[in-house]
This record gives sequence, C-alpha cells and structure tokens, in this order.
Amino acid sequence: GAVVSQHPSWVICKSGTSVKIECRSLDFQATTMFWYRQFPKQSLMLMATSNEGSKATYEQGVEKDKFLINHASLTLSTLTVTSAHPEDSSFYICSARDIGMSGYTFGSGTRLTVV
Amino acid sequence: DAKTTQPPSMDCAEGRAANLPCNHSTISGNEYVYWYRQIHSQGPQYIIHGLKNNETNEMASLIITEDRKSSTLILPHATLRDTAVYYCIVRVMNRDDKIIFGKGTRLHILP
Repeated sequence: GAVVSQHPSWVICKSGTSVKIECRSLDFQATTMFWYRQFPKQSLMLMATSNEGSKATYEQGVEKDKFLINHASLTLSTLTVTSAHPEDSSFYICSARDIGMSGYTFGSGTRLTVV
Repeated sequence: DAKTTQPPSMDCAEGRAANLPCNHSTISGNEYVYWYRQIHSQGPQYIIHGLKNNETNEMASLIITEDRKSSTLILPHATLRDTAVYYCIVRVMNRDDKIIFGKGTRLHILP
C-alpha cells in the first residue's frame, strides 16, 4: 500500500534556529500533500496544503513566513519552521493521497521540541 | 469546521465488540464516511470508508444508517492495541480535498 515517510521522527532545536521536516511519498506520486500540527491531547489542526510546483495554501491564522512549505517534486514536500520558539513545539504530521487509493496516507509524524 | 460529532471517550472490555458512533447529519450526497484512528504519538491510520452500504474489511465494519446521517464503526473483538483516538470524517472520494479533523473519540480498551 501507499507509504508516506516523514523525517526526522523527532528533533530538538534551540530557540531562534530553523528546522526542516521532510515528507516523502515512497511508492506513489502526490501532487498535493497536507501539513498538520497537533498539540498534546488535541486533534490534528490543518496548517497548509502543499501543491507541487506552486505556492502552498495556508489555513487562516498560520503564518506563511514562519512555516515555509516547498513541494518541489511529486514525491517530496518540506516544512521549515523558521526562527523556532518554544511555542512551536508540537507534533507535525503530513499526509498525501495516492491517485489509486481512496483515502489519505499519513506520515508517522515529527515531534519538534524547541528549547 | 469538522462536519461530524463523536462522543469524546468510550470504554470497551478486551475481547468485546467496540461500537463507535458518529453523527454527520449534514452529509452531502457525494460525500463518503471515512474512519481513521491515531495511536499515541503516531500518524493517523486509515480504517475503512463507505458511501451508503455497510462495509467490512479485516480491521472493522462500518454501518451507515439509511438516511446517512449517522454511522457506527465496529471493532468486532477489541484488543489492547485498539486503544486510540478514532476520527470519523466525511469527504468526497478521489479528490484532493483537505481533511478537517474533529475531536474524535478516545477509545480505552480495558483488560
């Protein structure tokens, strides 16, 4: 079945630095990928829709200059958290849909801790 | 906003059937009902989906009411590994529409 690989699975960074998270569709091509953020004991919150070859679409309240999304190929989307602060500490999850599948496949998530 | 409502939590004894309800009274004619679950600190996992007929796969069964305004996910023989948050979602199939998650149901399987 469709597999979405997310890397790294966890990362600790210092406040003020930037962190890049990768989301890869391993055995299918995805023109659209989605990025979510999840705080403890809360549901997944959609941050943005990543479109291959074009600009991402951000949800209301999500700072596009802080959360940079690049979808340069049909199998890779990246989320860069710029100038990270402790309040950006969260669980980040990506998802994509294989054209041959009816549902979305999710990555295993990246736990970001900003100290 | 999510178009579904679910109870925040449920308990089920190990080995028994877990029946998770979902209300989607505003569902459109071309929207499917999807179920995902999220085990702690992992990404959501697809379980099953359906339009109007009942569906069954190796993981679960999905029962959709005739008016399609509600559905029930059934885990026939719950195990401790089924402890997770279960999300019911409605969406049009085969489109790259974004998925908006509701709060889901936190299912506790009791030994």
